[in-house]
Amino acid sequence: QSVLTQPPSVSAAPGQKVTISCSGSSSNIGNNYVSWYQQLPGTAPKLLIYENNKRPSGIPDRFSGSKSGTSATLGITGLQTGDEADYYCGTWDSSLSAGGVFGGGTKLTVL
Amino acid sequence: QVQLQQWGAGLLKPSETLSLTCAVYGGSFSGYYWSWIRQPPGKGLEWIGEINHSGSTNYNPSLKSRVTISVDTSKNQFSLKLSSVTAADTAVYYCARGPRIAVAGTNRYYYYGMDVWGQGTTVTVSS
Repeated sequence: QSVLTQPPSVSAAPGQKVTISCSGSSSNIGNNYVSWYQQLPGTAPKLLIYENNKRPSGIPDRFSGSKSGTSATLGITGLQTGDEADYYCGTWDSSLSAGGVFGGGTKLTVL
Repeated sequence: QVQLQQWGAGLLKPSETLSLTCAVYGGSFSGYYWSWIRQPPGKGLEWIGEINHSGSTNYNPSLKSRVTISVDTSKNQFSLKLSSVTAADTAVYYCARGPRIAVAGTNRYYYYGMDVWGQGTTVTVSS
């Protein structure tokens, strides 16, 4: 059972927009930045979004992030078949057992 | 451009100790925490723990009793040891830079994410 809750799967057609949610609590998302990762099959995860809504160099602006309260959202516009991957949210949990935490992951299917 | 290269034994027997090392090339070791993450077959990511250049560590509570992360700043390397492994420890193990970065000019850290990852090492525990 992951500390952060994501939908197991989402799907949309090429060219469309999709959002992936990530729900947590005041001890994690509510008081820390959120990051998002893309994992293509057989590869290491890649950072897509850091500090809630910032994109590392080289990440297209089709990818966006937002945070409100204890939830965060990843948005992807202009879907491409190459976007088909697993997406994970992550943050820090500041409870007594402080540490990094991830969501369970969301499989994006581009129909 | 920072790159991480990791290595270690890929096949272990139950009760043995997993040992992996990650080398950091092309960037500063200080100012960041450095993490180990694992991913069991077909499952999601699990954060194992982190260390900074001073040797300060934080571990996942579920693994804390079996995990040791150490650092060798002279070689820009950090290592993972996981004792008493079982089949449940079978996974791809990754090293990464992050998830915390120092606030400029201070010794305080905040979460920003893991922006550089190693290539991953498949570790299988089987008798």
